[in-house]
Amino acid sequence: AQSVTQLGSHVSVSEGALVLLRCNYSSSVPPYLFWYVQYPNQGLQLLLKYTSAATLVKGINGFEAEFKKSETSFHLTKPSAHMSDAAEYFCAVSENTGGFKTIFGAGTRLFVKA
Amino acid sequence: DTGVSQDPRHKITKRGQNVTFRCDPISEHNRLYWYRQTLGQGPEFLTYFQNEAQLEKSRLLSDRFSAERPKGSFSTLEIQRTEQGDSAMYLCASSSILAGGTDTQYFGPGTRLTVL
Repeated sequence: AQSVTQLGSHVSVSEGALVLLRCNYSSSVPPYLFWYVQYPNQGLQLLLKYTSAATLVKGINGFEAEFKKSETSFHLTKPSAHMSDAAEYFCAVSENTGGFKTIFGAGTRLFVKA
Repeated sequence: DTGVSQDPRHKITKRGQNVTFRCDPISEHNRLYWYRQTLGQGPEFLTYFQNEAQLEKSRLLSDRFSAERPKGSFSTLEIQRTEQGDSAMYLCASSSILAGGTDTQYFGPGTRLTVL
């Protein structure tokens, strides 16, 4: 069975500071990993995905994530936070079979202080 | 076509009433998913379709819930005899499986259901 754990339900950073959102996964097969962002009262938007190619994945809005198999982690980073980054971020895992359902973490709400 | 659309965006109903939500996926996508999201949680899988076939249902999907995708295009999710615990955001997503490709899901804006 697959699972995702996001460490920290809330993260607060100052504008211009490094953003680090933590995600650890569990999977019995090589995983596909995703980060999604959700703004208030909106659906989820794909930020980036890992599909067993490069371990460092670059996404939209300056975000990137690194797949570390030994640590079963897929942490999301951005060098410099912007006020518009304030949102809920979800890490997700699905089977590396082109498979169907995706398992989501509980989410981390990012606050950005001026 | 700009993405997945859902209708309505908001629905308020009284306990015991039936409600139906619609999802229009990205046109070339053959897979369609329904999720439920409660406050402070990530989306929870409910069911998915490949074309018109409903291939998997979560145990969260009680017998009061039914989903259809009659022609492999749009889908409907119906909840009968709504309960206050059904209050949530219902998200639809679609994807397209290419040979050796990823099952990357694209989400709609959701339908927020409030049961009074």
